[in-house]
Amino acid sequence: AQSVAQPEDQVNVAEGNPLTVKCTYSVSGNPYLFWYVQYPNRGLQFLLKYITGDNLVKGSYGFEAEFNKSQTSFHLKKPSALVSDSALYFCAVRDPGDNTDKLIFGTGTRLQVFP
Amino acid sequence: KAGVTQTPRYLIKTRGQQVTLSCSPISGHRSVSWYQQTPGQGLQFLFEYFSETQRNKGNFPGRFSGRQFSNSRSEMNVSTLELGDSALYLCASSPARTREGETQYFGPGTRLLVL
Repeated sequence: AQSVAQPEDQVNVAEGNPLTVKCTYSVSGNPYLFWYVQYPNRGLQFLLKYITGDNLVKGSYGFEAEFNKSQTSFHLKKPSALVSDSALYFCAVRDPGDNTDKLIFGTGTRLQVFP
Repeated sequence: KAGVTQTPRYLIKTRGQQVTLSCSPISGHRSVSWYQQTPGQGLQFLFEYFSETQRNKGNFPGRFSGRQFSNSRSEMNVSTLELGDSALYLCASSPARTREGETQYFGPGTRLLVL
């Protein structure tokens, strides 16, 4: 069965410091991986995705993620955090063998960036 | 291009009532998926519609149903509401031109409170 794990409920980082939000997955075959961000009282905003190709994926707002097949991870990173990055971040996986758009989400990680 | 829109944004119902939520996908998008978000269960897939046909269904009771119209707009219905149905219901659409890692774009959600 497909699954996604976000091991940290919350990540705290000082503004200007690099940030990492962790995600590991379990899916048969080569997965499609996504990161979304959710601000209070809003829906999910797409940040980036990995489908195939270069393991380092660049996305919106300066975020990037690295696909590591051997560690089954897809950690979200940003070189310099902003207070405005404070939000709830979700990692999601889709099984390419499953002929639908169904996403399996992690439990979410709350990122708090302190001034 | 306008994003995914959902109506109503907020809804209060009492136990036993039924509710219908509406979703208008991004113009040209043919696939619509619904998700339920709660603090306890996180983001869970409800169902997906493509070309007016349900393509996939999550593990929810039969009280939860949906449909898609010829213009790709979708509705979901919950009958005999229970307190546990209180949640943020998110709709997402994708172009579904190919099965190659299409991105789903989410609406702002409908927040349902069951009293």
